[in-house]
Order: sequence, then structure tokens, then C-alpha cells
Amino acid sequence: AQSVTQPDIHITVSEGASLELRCNYSYGATPYLFWYVQSPGQGLQLLLKYFSGDTLVQGIKGFEAEFKRSQSSFNLRKPSVHWSDAAEYFCAVGISGNTPLVFGKGTRLSVIA
Amino acid sequence: ETGVTQTPRHLVMGMTNKKSLKCEQHLGHNAMYWYKQSAKKPLELMFVYSLEERVENNSVPSRFSPECPNSSHLFLHLHTLQPEDSALYLCASSLHNTGELFFGEGSRLTVL
Repeated sequence: AQSVTQPDIHITVSEGASLELRCNYSYGATPYLFWYVQSPGQGLQLLLKYFSGDTLVQGIKGFEAEFKRSQSSFNLRKPSVHWSDAAEYFCAVGISGNTPLVFGKGTRLSVIA
Repeated sequence: ETGVTQTPRHLVMGMTNKKSLKCEQHLGHNAMYWYKQSAKKPLELMFVYSLEERVENNSVPSRFSPECPNSSHLFLHLHTLQPEDSALYLCASSLHNTGELFFGEGSRLTVL
């Protein structure tokens, strides 16, 4: 069965600094890959997704993620973080459209002035 | 405006009460899901309905009873809950063959 690891439980960055959130997955083939964001008390919003093709994926709110098959990773990046980016970020993996996504445990991002 | 609407947003109930959570999607999707999100725990998949048939039930206690009357509506009926059932309950929907989930804003449940 596939699994997802987000090694960082909590990350704090300064406003304007760059950000990278890590995600590693375990699956034999190339899965579908997603990043979601959750603000406190809210549902999850899709930031970006990778199905195939170009391994650098652009998403909403200035985020991007890069799929690296050799490292089984799909790390999320943003060049300059804004205070409004403070939230919980979830990486998710799907092996086909017919199976539910598997979510990582999430990384909480705090942004300081 | 989200394409997936959950009501109520907040619910407080005693252990002997019976209540229901409602989810409605306006996206034309044919699969719907219930997730439980507790503090300091990962998202837990509870139920999956595809084309109005339940296709997954992850060992959820019988005090949680789902109902999917059509592809746009999903309910979670609650009865004789325990305090540890207090959590954010998230509904999601998807097109059957994409895997991408669209979430509602959740129903915050507190069991006293």
C-alpha cells in the first residue's frame, strides 16, 4: 500500500523568506500527487497536483512543487512567504482515480515578522 | 464559494442525542467521502460512496451511520457518541476517475 511521509511537523519561517515543505511517498509506480492547505477551522483547499508530464508544477498562491522520481519526493516551495500562508499543509498520494487519496500527517507553517 | 457545502458548521451534542451532519456538492461529482480530523492525528477516512454505493468503511463504529440518497448529498447520522468522537468532520467529493478531492469547510462536533 502506498504511504506518505511529511518529516516536518512544524516549520517557522520569517515573512519574505523562502519555503520548502518536504513530502516523500512510498509506491512502486508514479502516483498522482497533491498538496492541500488548511487554514484553522476550515476545510482543505487544493494548492496543486501532479499527474504526469512536466515535473515542476505551478499552483495557486505562488506555490510550486517538483516531482523527483529518483527521490520519491514531491516537495512544495514558495520563493517568498506571506503572513497569510500560515496554515497546515498536507501532501497526498493516489495510485489511481479509483482509490481514495492517502494523506500525510501534515506540516504546520508559522510565519513570523 | 465552495462547491461542497457542509451543515451545520458547529454542533454540540450530549452522548444520548441523535443528530446528523449534511453535505451537499454542486460539482457534478459521483464520489463522496467522510473524513474525521482530530487534534494531533492524521486525517482518517471514514466512508466512501461511489455512484451512491458505499465502497469503503474503515472500521468505523456503528454509532456513525452514513447515508447517500443521491450523488449530490451525503449524510452522517450520529447517535450515542462518545467524547472522543469530538472532531472536525470533513466531507469531500471527486470525479470517480481523477482522485482529486474537493473538500467542504467541515462540521466541528463537540460531544459532552
